[in-house]
Amino acid sequence: GQQVMQIPQYQHVQEGEDFTTYCNSSTTLSNIQWYKQRPGGHPVFLIQLVKSGEVKKQKRLTFQFGEAKKNSSLHITATQTTDVGTYFCAGRVNSGGSNYKLTFGKGTLLTVNP
Amino acid sequence: GAVVSQHPSRVICKSGTSVKIECRSLDFQATTMFWYRQFPKQSLMLMATSNEGSKATYEQGVEKDKFLINHASLTLSTLTVTSAHPEDSSFYICSARTWTGGPHEQFFGPGTRLTVL
Repeated sequence: GQQVMQIPQYQHVQEGEDFTTYCNSSTTLSNIQWYKQRPGGHPVFLIQLVKSGEVKKQKRLTFQFGEAKKNSSLHITATQTTDVGTYFCAGRVNSGGSNYKLTFGKGTLLTVNP
Repeated sequence: GAVVSQHPSRVICKSGTSVKIECRSLDFQATTMFWYRQFPKQSLMLMATSNEGSKATYEQGVEKDKFLINHASLTLSTLTVTSAHPEDSSFYICSARTWTGGPHEQFFGPGTRLTVL
């Protein structure tokens, strides 16, 4: 079945440093979504990427979708303590019909030292 | 964004009892709801996809007789953990799909932490 690998599993940074998490799918994706889950909270949708090579920015966050639509990355510039949480990628395979199942990566837990 | 609620937020029960968890979309109609299970510091594992008015589609390895799902209306889906055992202790999260704000976006409920003694 489809697998979505995400690395690193953990990342600890000093406040102000950059952070990147990577996702890689075993199959071509129709789209990929990114979620953030704060400690003790639930996943919150951040963004969706659909097009090959797509790059989207949200303030200090930059999301990329690979040319082959099998990998993606999330980069945070100049991390802040409010960025703490687990970042999940979730990929959807276009299996036709109304199948909207997402396969989540294992997530990257980001901790930031003030 | 769209709001999804879950009730209860926490439940502690004795082994052998059944527990019902409700998932509601508060300000939109959700034709599809998803039930996930998340172990501590783990990813979300999709258990089943629930479509309003039809039987849920379970993922491989998820016992449909153990985890009963009902999606009776466009705003409510329930997950019942039958004859719960300690290994069923977990964080159960539902999500609902809506077209509002963009295609394929899923809004997650706050989750239900189940502890089976």
